[in-house]
Amino acid sequence: EAQVTQNPRYLITVTGKKLTVTCSQNMNHEYMSWYRQDPGLGLRQIYYSMNVEVTDKGDVPEGYKVSRKEKRNFPLILESPSPNQTSLYFCASRIGTGGMYEQYFGPGTRLTVT
Amino acid sequence: DQQVKQNSPSLSVQEGRISILNCDYTNSMFDYFLWYKKYPAEGPTFLISISSIKDKNEDGRFTVFLNKSAKHLSLHIVPSQPGDSAVYFCAASYNTDKLIFGTGTRLQVFP
Repeated sequence: EAQVTQNPRYLITVTGKKLTVTCSQNMNHEYMSWYRQDPGLGLRQIYYSMNVEVTDKGDVPEGYKVSRKEKRNFPLILESPSPNQTSLYFCASRIGTGGMYEQYFGPGTRLTVT
Repeated sequence: DQQVKQNSPSLSVQEGRISILNCDYTNSMFDYFLWYKKYPAEGPTFLISISSIKDKNEDGRFTVFLNKSAKHLSLHIVPSQPGDSAVYFCAASYNTDKLIFGTGTRLQVFP
């Protein structure tokens, strides 16, 4: 089954404790992206990657890091989480660059930073 | 600055009637527009898209209309069904790698 998986689905952590949210897709997609969803703000792009070893900032990259060492994986790293990073996070992938391509989203990771 | 706006946070429609969800945008450089549907505890799923060179695209019960002069697009669902109850996001794309989402409209279809 074609899918994007994220782990963990739920995470409660404390300020400053480094964490990683994993994302993996099995569709051989070149393009992957991370979003956060906050009430009243919709989905905002954090980082995206157009291919292995190619990443770029989205609209809200502060406090986040990403890496793309393999085509299928695109982990999101929070080096020193803060309460304002409490949010619902989605990983997404699509076959290529271009708005005509459908994006496939993972099920989401709900992160709470206390 | 919100480039893609969904001014109605919620919409309630009776089953069988038409649902109209609206979206406004400010950037005339957008070249593709998409609608995504999101159920609770799931990721958004693609619904329908339209290129900026068209003014209408239809897929079964779903039709998207684009009015470039007004920088406005709308999603029509006819007839509405209870399973359509979800949050709907419109999104716009330009320069190929960015996808800008609106804030979402929660649609409730009641019997």
